[in-house]
Amino acid sequence: SAVISQKPSRDICQRGTSLTIQCQVDSQVTMMFWYRQQPGQSLTLIATANQGSEATYESGFVIDKFPISRPNLTFSTLTVSNLSPEDSSIYLCSVDGTGMGEQFFGPGTRLTVL
Amino acid sequence: DAKTTQPPSMDCAEGRAANLPCNHSTISGNEYVYWYRQIHSQGPQYIIHGLKNNETNEMASLIITEDRKSSTLILPHATLRDTAVYYCTPRRDDKIIFGKGTRLHILP
Repeated sequence: SAVISQKPSRDICQRGTSLTIQCQVDSQVTMMFWYRQQPGQSLTLIATANQGSEATYESGFVIDKFPISRPNLTFSTLTVSNLSPEDSSIYLCSVDGTGMGEQFFGPGTRLTVL
Repeated sequence: DAKTTQPPSMDCAEGRAANLPCNHSTISGNEYVYWYRQIHSQGPQYIIHGLKNNETNEMASLIITEDRKSSTLILPHATLRDTAVYYCTPRRDDKIIFGKGTRLHILP
């Protein structure tokens, strides 16, 4: 299974600022995914990021608010812009696994917006 | 969209088999069903997946009905470490969309 790390593991940010979350994988992967998990809720897919192409966003998520970079096959960043308290969530990076369709998840980044 | 329905919570005694049901009556014929679990404050963990046949691995067994409208995840000997939220989800368009899952409590 892929080993995924995220930075930072947690952060507290002020309203109106931005936070960039890094996701590093120990092997090359084609597809990377970013999810949001609001307090007490399930995971919601924000976007799919393939190397060399624009990220594909799910309904309700836009690039201006959640810009994503995917510079190579082992790394991606998610920026959460113009933060508001409603953005307080856990943000998780995920990658495709061994080709059987399963996904592996990072430990998450816990964001609190004051 | 293939939607799934799971009971919001279940209890199981430690050492007994935990049977977690999932209804996916709108699943397409070529969509696999995947099961994940999320232990508190951790990222989800892949458990098992299947299409038509029953599957077993070191973590669990998956029983899929012949009409593929439902499935059951079986943890054969539940331990306290199995306390988690369990998600049943199809994979469509190369991505996984999570439902609300079942919160499984293992009772000592």
